[in-house]
Amino acid sequence: QVQLVESGGGLVKPGGSLRLSCAASGFTFSDYYMSWIRQAPGKGLEWVSYISSSGSTIYYADSVKGRFTISRDNAKNSLYLQMNSLRAEDTAVYYCARESRGPNGMDVWGQGTTVTVSS
Amino acid sequence: EIVLTQSPGTLSLSPGERATLSCRASQSVSSSYLAWYQQKPGQAPRLLIYGASSRATGIPDRFSGSGSGTDFTLTISRLEPEDFAVYYCQQYGSSPVTFGQGTKVEIK
Repeated sequence: QVQLVESGGGLVKPGGSLRLSCAASGFTFSDYYMSWIRQAPGKGLEWVSYISSSGSTIYYADSVKGRFTISRDNAKNSLYLQMNSLRAEDTAVYYCARESRGPNGMDVWGQGTTVTVSS
Repeated sequence: EIVLTQSPGTLSLSPGERATLSCRASQSVSSSYLAWYQQKPGQAPRLLIYGASSRATGIPDRFSGSGSGTDFTLTISRLEPEDFAVYYCQQYGSSPVTFGQGTKVEIK
């Protein structure tokens, strides 16, 4: 079945780095744009970054620009988020999501991986 | 950046009642690229509506979306027990993609 599975979250000190991964299965990964979205504890959803199917087009939220890098490996059906210079306000559950064609919203979401930035 | 404001913050209703959720944008949403998501505690969001009024695959017809420009509405015609959750609107027509702050539909 169509599935996204995130991994790589954990506890990291302020200023540290973490790399999140999102493994896709059940669909042709290379056909779809992908996004990362985060949700701070008890808060709403915040879009973080987006990458086109080929990886040629990338956007970031201002809050992470210059610190986070999105990438993908279509041969491995995987999406990544490299997070550097982490801050306490980056603490959140991070979801990867598939951008449906059209575009028609984000139609497939992973279960999320938790990132905690604390000393 | 397009700011989405959802109202009310919390909606207290009983099963079987009609729910009407509002999402107002600070500027016109391009091509009605407006989606609605449902999120239950401890779960990822689920796409309900895209293009302002089209139901996503597998979404029951008691969920409907309407609106254009800056004013959008999600209606749940008759609340089922599983519909009590938080609902978010999202615009994806302009960068950056933005979400509303959410409306919680709780059992009265």
